[in-house]
Amino acid sequence: DTAVSQTPKYLVTQMGNDKSIKCEQNLGHDTMYWYKQDSKKFLKIMFSYNNKELIINETVPNRFSPKSPDKAHLNLHINSLELGDSAVYFCASSHPGEQETQYFGPGTRLLVL
Amino acid sequence: AQTVTQSQPEMSVQEAETVTLSCTYDTSESDYYLFWYKQPPSRQMILVIRQEAYKQQNATENRFSVNFQKAAKSFSLKISDSQLGDAAMYFCAYRRFANAGKSTFGDGTTLTVKP
Repeated sequence: DTAVSQTPKYLVTQMGNDKSIKCEQNLGHDTMYWYKQDSKKFLKIMFSYNNKELIINETVPNRFSPKSPDKAHLNLHINSLELGDSAVYFCASSHPGEQETQYFGPGTRLLVL
Repeated sequence: AQTVTQSQPEMSVQEAETVTLSCTYDTSESDYYLFWYKQPPSRQMILVIRQEAYKQQNATENRFSVNFQKAAKSFSLKISDSQLGDAAMYFCAYRRFANAGKSTFGDGTTLTVKP
């Protein structure tokens, strides 16, 4: 069974479009995250939700809006996509009872043309 | 703010040999976690090993071990008997000892394993 899943795995779209990436975890974790990995492979946190509440919001354009319908899901919606949004986006989850280990999804490669 | 530094952008090792990847970090906290993650070409982030800062004993997972020097804020990863499948990008990460704290990742070290 997949622990942390993301859909889609690949996303190619035009500038200016709006797109969403979905994330689901079946680990029973309370906390979920979105990370962005750019072309140089640098990995940076974007958002973190704990029990559906936003707790970390790094300096991210407000075109990015996370939504957590329940603690097993954390979706990322991006408005007015720009070329610089092209990256791999990783979802992750964690639970304090597991030494705060984060488990990552397979990533979504977003290419904005 | 916490920072994590991996000073070696690229490393290479001969198959069956041993290699050590460096990581240093900066924090004012006394309790925290440290991790090494592996990212192969498949892009999947895979946990390699983790260390609790309050534990003096270095963590070990099969061929992977760490040298944790708390006073020096150093957390290196040693890979013994390197295998072709170890080729990947390795990320060092720091995480506060608090629920839902964010992780800070280093910039990664690309490891090449030569047959």
